[in-house]
Amino acid sequence: EPEVTQTPSHQVTQMGQEVILRCVPISNHLYFYWYRQILGQKVEFLVSFYNNEISEKSEIFDDQFSVERPDGSNFTLKIRSTKLEDSAMYFCASSVETGGVKETQYFGPGTRLLVL
Amino acid sequence: AQKITQTQPGMFVQEKEAVTLDCTYDTSDPSYGLFWYKQPSSGEMIFLIYQGSYDQQNATEGRYSLNFQKARKSANLVISASQLGDSAMYFCAMREENYGGSQGNLIFGKGTKLSVKP
Repeated sequence: EPEVTQTPSHQVTQMGQEVILRCVPISNHLYFYWYRQILGQKVEFLVSFYNNEISEKSEIFDDQFSVERPDGSNFTLKIRSTKLEDSAMYFCASSVETGGVKETQYFGPGTRLLVL
Repeated sequence: AQKITQTQPGMFVQEKEAVTLDCTYDTSDPSYGLFWYKQPSSGEMIFLIYQGSYDQQNATEGRYSLNFQKARKSANLVISASQLGDSAMYFCAMREENYGGSQGNLIFGKGTKLSVKP
């Protein structure tokens, strides 16, 4: 069964460093998302991406964040200058094109980011 | 105001018994979807079940069913015949169709931690 994959599974970085989190969405999916979950808290939406551009972003997704689809399979989230409060689990998700409220988003296993 | 409310931070259930996890939601959008996800201790988010606002029947997927009460704005997850492997965090989430049919983001509740006792 196809699944969303994410690399790395864990990343430790120093405050101020840039990190790139990678995702490979399910191959026939065209909508991509990033969410984050700070430890012990609820999952929060960051950004959605379709047709090589951002569809929607939350107020969390400030200028320090960017997303890219560098090729036909990868979808990346970059944090330019990490802060301590960026420590969280980052989930990538994808869904097919048909759209509408019923379209299920399938999540990857997450990348646990720790900023020291 | 919270869009998704899960009032039970933690629940215990005896193995083989049924359990109901509560979820209430708040939206003025007539078209919306409700989802439940399971998050085991390993951290991944696993899709369980979906209910659409216009669906006439309650959704069912194997041992999972959704008790959808639209007038009360509740979408409770029922797990029948609980198994030890059901121990996990369970998140209720909603997507509203207020973006002209485009893919809206999921809004999550804070989750309920279910522990299944042998």
